[in-house]
Amino acid sequence: QSVLTQPASVSGSPGQSITISCAGTSSDVGGYNFVSWFQQHPGKAPKLMIYDVSNRPSGVSNRFSGSKSGNTASLTISGLQAEDEADYYCSSYTSRSSVVFGGGTKLTVL
Amino acid sequence: EVQLVESGGGLVQPGGSLRLSCAASGFTFSSYAMNWVRQAPGKGLEWVSYISSRSTTMYYADSVKGRFTISRDNAKNSLYLQMNSLRDEDTAVYYCARGEDSGSFDNWGQGTLVTVSS
Repeated sequence: QSVLTQPASVSGSPGQSITISCAGTSSDVGGYNFVSWFQQHPGKAPKLMIYDVSNRPSGVSNRFSGSKSGNTASLTISGLQAEDEADYYCSSYTSRSSVVFGGGTKLTVL
Repeated sequence: EVQLVESGGGLVQPGGSLRLSCAASGFTFSSYAMNWVRQAPGKGLEWVSYISSRSTTMYYADSVKGRFTISRDNAKNSLYLQMNSLRDEDTAVYYCARGEDSGSFDNWGQGTLVTVSS
């Protein structure tokens, strides 16, 4: 069982916006501004999309944005495109000096 | 271009040992912390271990503590994971990933598959 809770699946049509939630506790998501989001296409390595809650690495589209409220972080993808279809994972630093991941969310672009 | 290439995976019996390696290139390896992250077949990501740039700090997931040891050789631009007392549930693709213990893993290798089975 994953420590961070994500919806198993979300879907949206091209051009729409979707949001994926990542629920934790005050010992992880709520306690630190160290939430990251990763995109993983089938058979590929994960790719960092957001770090430190809302920062985008160089080269990541500004259609991807992150935020946090209390113990829940969110990833929003605007202007959905077919290539956004993938699995998405959140992660957080924890009070036990470890990193925990969410269970992952499968995004389907309809 | 940053490159991380894992090797050393394979089939091992329960209770056995395996040593994974990760060869780094394209960046100043000695300046960056590194991690191992694994993914069981059809499952999600699980962080395994962290090592600071100069090996002064190491952290482990509870699931591997006491069985796995992370190390690095900055002169050889290499990261290692010594895995002992392997269990069926250690079966996974193991990725090396560059980044701090905050979880901001900005570069990943292609992974190496470890299968623990009799």
